[in-house]
Amino acid sequence: DAMVIQNPRYQVTQFGKPVTLSCSQTLNHNVMYWYQQKSSQAPKLLFHYYDKDFNNEADTPDNFQSRRPNTSFCFLDIRSPGLGDAAMYLCATSRALTGQLTDTQYFGPGTRLTVL
Amino acid sequence: AQKITQTQPGMFVQEKEAVTLDCTYDTSESNYYLFWYKQPPSRQMILVIRQEAYKQQNATENRFSVNFQKAAKSFSLKISDSQLGDTAMYFCARYTGTYKYIFGTGTRLKVLA
Repeated sequence: DAMVIQNPRYQVTQFGKPVTLSCSQTLNHNVMYWYQQKSSQAPKLLFHYYDKDFNNEADTPDNFQSRRPNTSFCFLDIRSPGLGDAAMYLCATSRALTGQLTDTQYFGPGTRLTVL
Repeated sequence: AQKITQTQPGMFVQEKEAVTLDCTYDTSESNYYLFWYKQPPSRQMILVIRQEAYKQQNATENRFSVNFQKAAKSFSLKISDSQLGDTAMYFCARYTGTYKYIFGTGTRLKVLA
């Protein structure tokens, strides 16, 4: 089945130790998103890619970076995780069609990051 | 600032009963999309229903329907004949342009047997 896959589902890292979260999609969607979701809060958009064009949210800390080497894969790099970065990280995709306002977002299951 | 407000942090409903989740939003646009997403415990977020603002008819998907009041900027979700599998966090969301979406703080719904 076409889907959005995130690996790993659970990640434990140490304070200050770089960590990379992975997202892949088989939907062939041209937009990919990374959200941070803390307990009982709304997902907060960190950045998104439209194809290879990277769009960073103004309030996303520099500690968070992203790479999209091809249509299918997108990575979230946290260069020096702090205790406040412990959260669920959600990857999502959408298909942006010319002439259409938007399309539905499809979410992966998330990666829960713990920082020790 | 663009904002989505969900004033019900948690709700309970008896199985087979109906429940309504509220959502209000800010926008100055005339055409936009609104969404309700469901996030079951430890499972991924999925789309429940979506509404196009220029359509006056309220969207329905099986047991799920919306009451879209454009002038009041209100977008409530009604779940009819609630099932145990409806237990989840429900997020109201709006497309804000340039491939971006904003979400409300969510309503945690618990369906009781």
